Amino acid sequence: NAGVTQTPKFQVLKTGQSMTLQCAQDMNHEYMSWYRQDPGMGLRLIHYSVGAGITDQGEVPNGYNVSRSTTEDFPLRLLSAAPSQTSVYFCASSPVVSYGYTFGSGTRLTVV
Amino acid sequence: EDQVTQSPEALRLQEGESSSLNCSYTVSGLRGLFWYRQDPGKGPEFLFTLYSAGEEKEKERLKATLTKKESFLHITAPKPEDSATYLCAVQEERRDFGNEKLTFGTGTRLTIIP
Repeated sequence: NAGVTQTPKFQVLKTGQSMTLQCAQDMNHEYMSWYRQDPGMGLRLIHYSVGAGITDQGEVPNGYNVSRSTTEDFPLRLLSAAPSQTSVYFCASSPVVSYGYTFGSGTRLTVV
Repeated sequence: EDQVTQSPEALRLQEGESSSLNCSYTVSGLRGLFWYRQDPGKGPEFLFTLYSAGEEKEKERLKATLTKKESFLHITAPKPEDSATYLCAVQEERRDFGNEKLTFGTGTRLTIIP
């Protein structure tokens, strides 16, 4: 069981570039979420999904897109990177939210 | 809007010195309150879910309690390996699609000195 796998672990982008952060889980969890973590601001929800084909916006969705074509994968796309998107990004999954999320190890993104 | 406030921001304790971390919250209806532990450079690790006032849960040296407005994470006789950032999150009871959202506090950075 690999749990929640995020790739890449580190990434540097130039302003205006696009990229996709990958997230995969092998636990057959229905619920998946993307968070960003910034110093002094805690974890903030970007987008989440309650199952394949169903996604919704979180607290800070602007500049990000998601899709959920399979139960296992939940990629996060940055459309046109901005310095304000410099952050650590975490993907998480859960069979039922009240059971607690399992988090990946994170992607540290720097936009210059 | 959900609000989750954790205090203190940072806490330094001697090994064996017990203390408590606080998480206060404001939601119209609480579906669940969560505690997570986060080590540097890693993702948060789930510890507990509390559902109703008066509930308590324990794990090794940690005990979480819940009232209608706040939760406490009690640490008894801590060891250096308990050093981490402890995060609190709430899930609001909602009738719409947003039931699955968690709102996190900014955490308490705990350091246990040998």
